[in-house]
Order: sequence, then structure tokens, then C-alpha cells
Amino acid sequence: RKEVEQDPGPFNVPEGATVAFNCTYSNSASQSFFWYRQDCRKEPKLLMSVYSSGNEDGRFTAQLNRASQYISLLIRDSKLSDSATYLCAVNRGNDMRFGAGTRLTVKP
Amino acid sequence: NAGVTQTPKFQVLKTGQSMTLQCAQDMNHNSMYWYRQDPGMGLRLIYYSASEGTTDKGEVPNGYNVSRLNKREFSLRLESAAPSQTSVYFCASNGQGISPLHFGNGTRLTVT
Repeated sequence: RKEVEQDPGPFNVPEGATVAFNCTYSNSASQSFFWYRQDCRKEPKLLMSVYSSGNEDGRFTAQLNRASQYISLLIRDSKLSDSATYLCAVNRGNDMRFGAGTRLTVKP
Repeated sequence: NAGVTQTPKFQVLKTGQSMTLQCAQDMNHNSMYWYRQDPGMGLRLIYYSASEGTTDKGEVPNGYNVSRLNKREFSLRLESAAPSQTSVYFCASNGQGISPLHFGNGTRLTVT
């Protein structure tokens, strides 16, 4: 079993839709949590960190549930430009592990 | 701002050949990482270096060696390339272990 697991999708949604991704992790000692965005044939780029109390950045909301060991990402009012692969990342000290990514396509 | 710079961008090797992937960061980060990314597998950690002078194995270290040359540079060496090492390789860095990673542009390696 992988240490960090994500639903690979793909998620195909219309513009304006709300879409949510979940990610589960197995190591309870994990200390920090992130969502990255990766465009085709590009490097991953940090979308947002995930804090215990939950956090929001514009249309994006991230949540962490330590008891159930999962993190989530909610995208509201999807835009065409949100089409990408979204990777969750979980860090325990100096060892950052990634999920395989969830592919999102937003259609007109 | 250069950030994390990887060279080369593309490489084709024959089975058994060796090569070194170079990575340098100009953000004064302590920690540096090498990942490989394969379809359906996501990013898998090969090796990391928490600080200058230290290196540690990640999930998939077999077939690779690394050198943390100084604080800025962290190289990945394939001594005898195999087709299973065909992948996209990303170098990354962060200021300290729990901080988010900054990635280089990647190296696309094909081993025939």
C-alpha cells in the first residue's frame, strides 16, 4: 500500500462547478501537508499548504483531518485554467511523499 | 530568480551507460531531493540530503548514487543505466524539512 493515496480521476467538470479531491496518508507521524498543481510536462508547483484549522486561498479550500489521516482540496467556481493534475504531499521530517495525482479537466 | 536549475533537460542513454544529473539551487536551502515521476506512479523519492554533507535513501534508491557537493549542488548519478530508469527526474529543495518544496524543470531521461 502506498503511503499517500489519491483517486487518480479523471474528474471532468463544467466551468463553474465545485470539485473536491481527497488524499489519505498512512503515517501518523506526518508533520506537514501540501497541495501541488502540475501542468502537463511541467514541474509541480505549490498550490497551498494545509493547516490543521483548514485554510482558504480564493476559490481553493484545504482541510486536514489528522484523526482520519486525510487531506482535502475544494475548488469552487472552476475555471478552464484549473485543468491540471493535483498532487497531495505529506511530509514527515525531511521525507516528502506524494500521491500519484488527480487529473482535473474543466470543460466549457 | 533562477530557483532550482537542473541539467540536462533531455538525455538518451544506451543500457549500461552512465551519466550524472546536475541540480543547483540559489535559495540558500538546506535540504535537497531527487524524485522520479512515472505515469500512474506519481513522484517517488530517490534520495534526499537534509544538509550539506548528509544524504539518505528514499523510496527507490537502487541503481542510483548521489553527492551533495556543497550547499547549492546535489547531483544524481546512474552508474549503469537500465530501461527501467526511463523516467522524468525532478530535483527539489526546501529551507527545512517541513517546508514546501521548490522544483526544478525536470530531466527527461530515456534508456534504450
